[in-house]
Amino acid sequence: DAKTTQPNSMESNEEEPVHLPCNHSTISGTDYIHWYRQLPSQGPEYVIHGLTSNVNNRMASLAIAEDRKSSTLILHRATLRDAAVYYCILRRIGNTGKLIFGQGTTLQVKP
Amino acid sequence: NAGVTQTPKFQVLKTGQSMTLQCAQDMNHNSMYWYRQDPGMGLRLIYYSASEGTTDKGEVPNGYNVSRLNKREFSLRLESAAPSQTSVYFCASRHDYPLKHNEQFFGPGTRLTVL
Repeated sequence: DAKTTQPNSMESNEEEPVHLPCNHSTISGTDYIHWYRQLPSQGPEYVIHGLTSNVNNRMASLAIAEDRKSSTLILHRATLRDAAVYYCILRRIGNTGKLIFGQGTTLQVKP
Repeated sequence: NAGVTQTPKFQVLKTGQSMTLQCAQDMNHNSMYWYRQDPGMGLRLIYYSASEGTTDKGEVPNGYNVSRLNKREFSLRLESAAPSQTSVYFCASRHDYPLKHNEQFFGPGTRLTVL
């Protein structure tokens, strides 16, 4: 499975946008880019995923570079509830859905 | 809709004891997974089951066994617990179709301490 690289931690102010980067230079054409987050003392939850085009949903936006070697998760207005560990994961089509988690980015949101 | 449920929430074992962690989902998902998470680390896949009656090893299967009892339930057994198995255990399930989505739903976790 291809590897992802994320910063260990980031800080944001409440109600400001947050851009969480992820590098995946060895991504293959059949790898989807998934983002999950884990709130303190909870199981991970799905945030968003994409293949080639930028994606939006009610939680966040995903911006994917044209060469697909990097992506950015965008939280448009951070709230205190968004403080969590964010995981960028590549999942190959047809791999029975296995997710390989890295260490993720710990996002702190300051009031 | 309870989603993914896990029992127990907490457990303390002595070295060498055995126990079974239970997981159930009510979303009619085919695939189910067991992960462990050590302090400050990401999750690591222990075992998974793509369908009822099938199981496969993940990244860290040693010391564990699993049973896919039916479509709803997937249990994880520690036959002889060791301190290295102290961790938080998460169960997850996912839709298989449409394939392109594959969102996994996670349970709340079981916090296991082995003394």
